[in-house]
Amino acid sequence: GAGVSQSPSNKVTEKGKDVELRCDPISGHTALYWYRQSLGQGLEFLIYFQGNSAPDKSGLPSDRFSAERTGGSVSTLTIQRTQQEDSAVYLCASSLGGADWNSPLHFGNGTRLTVT
Amino acid sequence: GQSLEQPSEVTAVEGAIVQINCTYQTSGFYGLSWYQQHDGGAPTFLSYNALDGLEETGRFSSFLSRSDSYGYLLLQELQMKDSASYFCAVRTSGAGSYQLTFGKGTKLSVIP
Repeated sequence: GAGVSQSPSNKVTEKGKDVELRCDPISGHTALYWYRQSLGQGLEFLIYFQGNSAPDKSGLPSDRFSAERTGGSVSTLTIQRTQQEDSAVYLCASSLGGADWNSPLHFGNGTRLTVT
Repeated sequence: GQSLEQPSEVTAVEGAIVQINCTYQTSGFYGLSWYQQHDGGAPTFLSYNALDGLEETGRFSSFLSRSDSYGYLLLQELQMKDSASYFCAVRTSGAGSYQLTFGKGTKLSVIP
């Protein structure tokens, strides 16, 4: 079946502009995660959605970052007033979640964001 | 909070065996996972240990010692295609969330 789909694959934006990154998880997966990966670095947790529960936003670096998940499926990560330090690859992942909360994550190919 | 420590780089010869260690500090522990990421690619799941001991999956094995807050990934019969970054990750819980926290990764270079 289809994997996790992210769009756009690349995004170049000017400092101060807002950007929206989209993630389409695997059908049937109730858990969805956003991570950020700077060049050659590890995966920095941003936010975690599980079903209809309130999301875990503990990883969002500032109030410029927000995310929503509509209908328990597609998610959008929004970065307002982008800064150069926001340049990174933004990875989305989904997993079965629910009773299978410990199931493996399936990652998308990411959105490479460059802020000029 | 939680923290994971793993070596930043490891180099090994094709056909050899390599071990990548991971130590962690976390409140609430629900297992140690390993993910592989090739340059420019997405991370992919390799293995998971919830209990102490060794889990084997083909050429890859993973070990966990909960009392030592320590685990490792063992790669045998190394192939050039094993050159990649390897991340350990721990599942923690808090306020109803079961987020997965990753280490900074170990870049494995396999040389002929």
